[in-house]
Amino acid sequence: DTAVSQTPKYLVTQMGNDKSIKCEQNLGHDTMYWYKQDSKKFLKIMFSYNNKELIINETVPNRFSPKSPDKAHLNLHINSLELGDSAVYFCASSLLTGTGIYEQYFGPGTRLTVT
Amino acid sequence: KQEVTQIPAALSVPEGENLVLNCSFTDSAIYNLQWFRQDPGKGLTSLLLIQSSQREQTSGRLNASLDKSSGRSTLYIAASQPGDSATYLCAVPSQGGSEKLVFGKGMKLTVNP
Repeated sequence: DTAVSQTPKYLVTQMGNDKSIKCEQNLGHDTMYWYKQDSKKFLKIMFSYNNKELIINETVPNRFSPKSPDKAHLNLHINSLELGDSAVYFCASSLLTGTGIYEQYFGPGTRLTVT
Repeated sequence: KQEVTQIPAALSVPEGENLVLNCSFTDSAIYNLQWFRQDPGKGLTSLLLIQSSQREQTSGRLNASLDKSSGRSTLYIAASQPGDSATYLCAVPSQGGSEKLVFGKGMKLTVNP
């Protein structure tokens, strides 16, 4: 199946721990993203990478560090987890079309619960 | 700063009704608008993408229109079915054709059998 996939689907961990979420896309897209959806279901971009290069870095604590080993993968590492980090994290990818548009495709999400 | 508003936040209707979902945005200098569907506990599924040069796009029972001058888009769902129950989100670039999408808070639709 061609898609954006994320692992794990669920992640429960204690405050202070370090955790990683992995994302892979086999759509051949150049750009990948991390979004955070909070408890109020508000979806907001965190980072974007284009061909392994960081393009967008929103106001995100530096405990969050994205890493892109190649253009098909974008991982998110979170240090010293806090209660407020509990959310659903979505990975997405897009291809810049000939008309200058990025159509984004989303992964299934990773529900992170920090206790 | 681009802001996206979707009103109402929730809608409950009987099966078979034709529905109009609204989305408004503050910066009309955009290249495109995208409508998504999110099922509970699932990711986002792209429904329709409208380019600024288009006025509408259709996919099955869904029709989306875009009026840049007024900063509005509507998603029309014909003959609604219980399977249409989900949260519908619209998103636009922060400016122009930026890859940074700004999302509305979504509209939770419940279609009752």
